Amino acid sequence: SAVISQKPSRDICQRGTSLTIQCQVDSQVTMMFWYRQQPGQSLTLIATANQGSEATYESGFVIDKFPISRPNLTFSTLTVSNMSPEDSSIYLCSVGDDGYTFGSGTRLTVV
Amino acid sequence: AQSVTQLDSQVPVFEEAPVELRCNYSSSVSVYLFWYVQYPNQGLQLLLKYLSGSTLVKGINGFEAEFNKSQTSFHLRKPSVHISDTAEYFCAVSETGGGNKLTFGTGTQLKVEL
Repeated sequence: SAVISQKPSRDICQRGTSLTIQCQVDSQVTMMFWYRQQPGQSLTLIATANQGSEATYESGFVIDKFPISRPNLTFSTLTVSNMSPEDSSIYLCSVGDDGYTFGSGTRLTVV
Repeated sequence: AQSVTQLDSQVPVFEEAPVELRCNYSSSVSVYLFWYVQYPNQGLQLLLKYLSGSTLVKGINGFEAEFNKSQTSFHLRKPSVHISDTAEYFCAVSETGGGNKLTFGTGTQLKVEL
């Protein structure tokens, strides 16, 4: 299975600022996914990121709030923009080519 | 669209006892099924998956699950739990040919007691 490195592992941010989360895979993958896990909740898909095309967002998530980049087959970033306390969550990236492997997540607290 | 129901939000069990965590799904097409475990303050670890073939799937840490198409279920079982199995367990479904995105259940907190 692919090995995923996600950075940062955690951060505390001021409201109104933005945070960019990085996801690096040790092999080339076609599809990468970004999920959000709000406190005490399950995981919800934010968007699907395929290299060479615009990310596809799920209902309730918009590009202005969660811009995604996918510059190559091993890397993606998710930015959480203009943050509010409601954005405090764990954000996880996942790759779907081989076995639905997840990164260790980024624990974000917005104060 | 698919959905996943985990009927039990919490399951307490004594160490060395058997456990079953229930998962039912709904989908109009064929699916792949997954169980993940999340330890406190950690990411998700894949326990096992059903893609095709044998309906009894064995995973890591002694867990197994059985795909029952007629009952649209994918229950997770372990014959003897250990204190280290205390964690949150998530069932997830992906539609075959649906782009590999997962829909998760609400999770079951397994608490193993001495």
